[in-house]
Amino acid sequence: EIVLTQSPDTLSLSPGDTATLSCRASQGIRSRLAWYQQKPGQTPRLLIYHASERAAGIPARFSGGGSGTAFTLTITSLEPEDFAVYFCQQRTDWHYSFGQGTKLEIK
Amino acid sequence: QVQVVESGGGVVQSGKSLRLSCEASGFSITDHAMHWVRQGPGKGLEWVAFLSHDGSNKYFSNSVEGRFALSRDTSKNVVFLHVNSLRTEDTADYYCARGESRSLPYSTFYGADVWGQGTAVAVSS
Repeated sequence: EIVLTQSPDTLSLSPGDTATLSCRASQGIRSRLAWYQQKPGQTPRLLIYHASERAAGIPARFSGGGSGTAFTLTITSLEPEDFAVYFCQQRTDWHYSFGQGTKLEIK
Repeated sequence: QVQVVESGGGVVQSGKSLRLSCEASGFSITDHAMHWVRQGPGKGLEWVAFLSHDGSNKYFSNSVEGRFALSRDTSKNVVFLHVNSLRTEDTADYYCARGESRSLPYSTFYGADVWGQGTAVAVSS
């Protein structure tokens, strides 16, 4: 079973800053990684698929990168609505798992 | 409008069973894989189960393997998650989510792009 570890657990930044979130896989997963955003009381929203492809309607300030075991989600020029919890998810041989999440909070 | 709506949650005693439903609209479950994901109180997301677009492949997380089952009614465009032998640690909001289209290559991981609002399951001891 592949384990995804996200870091940091909490990231405190100000609007206008750039956020860099990390997701590490316990084994290589090529580019089979997605990123989701979840705001309090809301359901998850797909941001990035296949490590670096933006989902429909996602602003260009969100970008994903990496392959193998190390991945990043970068959010430039943070907007107030970007402060939320972010999860990564992987797929390997029809089994899936999520990271524990990174909370992006306003400093 | 493309959406999924879950139902069937409730409060049950440990060891009991429930059937959760996921009604899809705006697309056919025969064209997409479907997932169930749960989120315990104050916790992160946990992938639970996967149903392939043709219904032939069903996969479960280690934590529910042997206790949960999947079925579907294609005439009603509904996917069911049968949650059996419930434990207190199964207490969570259960989300249904749309996975990859059958027309897309398996080599690319497209994630889950449509999520429902969830249905709550509370298991008491």
